[in-house]
Amino acid sequence: TQLLEQSPQFLSIQEGENLTVYCNSSSVFSSLQWYRQEPGEGPVLLVTVVTGGEVKKLKRLTFQFGDARKDSSLHITAAQPGDTGLYLCAGKGSGGGADGLTFGKGTHLIIQP
Amino acid sequence: GAVVSQHPSWVICKSGTSVKIECRSLDFQATTMFWYRQFPKQSLMLMATSNEGSKATYEQGVEKDKFLINHASLTLSTLTVTSAHPEDSSFYICSAEVHEQYFGPGTRLTVT
Repeated sequence: TQLLEQSPQFLSIQEGENLTVYCNSSSVFSSLQWYRQEPGEGPVLLVTVVTGGEVKKLKRLTFQFGDARKDSSLHITAAQPGDTGLYLCAGKGSGGGADGLTFGKGTHLIIQP
Repeated sequence: GAVVSQHPSWVICKSGTSVKIECRSLDFQATTMFWYRQFPKQSLMLMATSNEGSKATYEQGVEKDKFLINHASLTLSTLTVTSAHPEDSSFYICSAEVHEQYFGPGTRLTVT
């Protein structure tokens, strides 16, 4: 069974600060996705990382996939109140074919004005 | 593109009854869809993989006779919760894959 440890589970910071969310596993994933979920809604895809060492940027969000494809991080620069939400990392197995995703427990992020 | 819908968005049913939830891919075809369950304050847990034209594959601990999955077409998968009990109350979310997995808006099931 593949597990994804996501940390921190809760984070409350002031507007303008930077933060990093981590997603770690002992398993190798063929790809890793980051989602954002609002209450009562389905997760919305932010980014997919596929290659070990890959870095992707989405405005103030920077996503990195570890060299060994076992871990990933999400860094937010100058956080805004609109960034508040639940952030989920999810990994796809390396077995090939159509696989369901293994989700981390999520990070509840609150950005205070 | 890559829009997935679910119906209903919420449903309340009595214990012992069955409830059907639909998942549709609106602008693409999906041979594989996935069903997840999310309890309050928790993350998503994969329940089963729905395969068009063949039997679904269930994750360990998920009762296939209780959670019936039918993937009759390339754009529709249904999940039927049979003989529902209060502990089945949860947020059920489907996804369909086209390069990445795109999720539906979820269905809130409350069993009284």
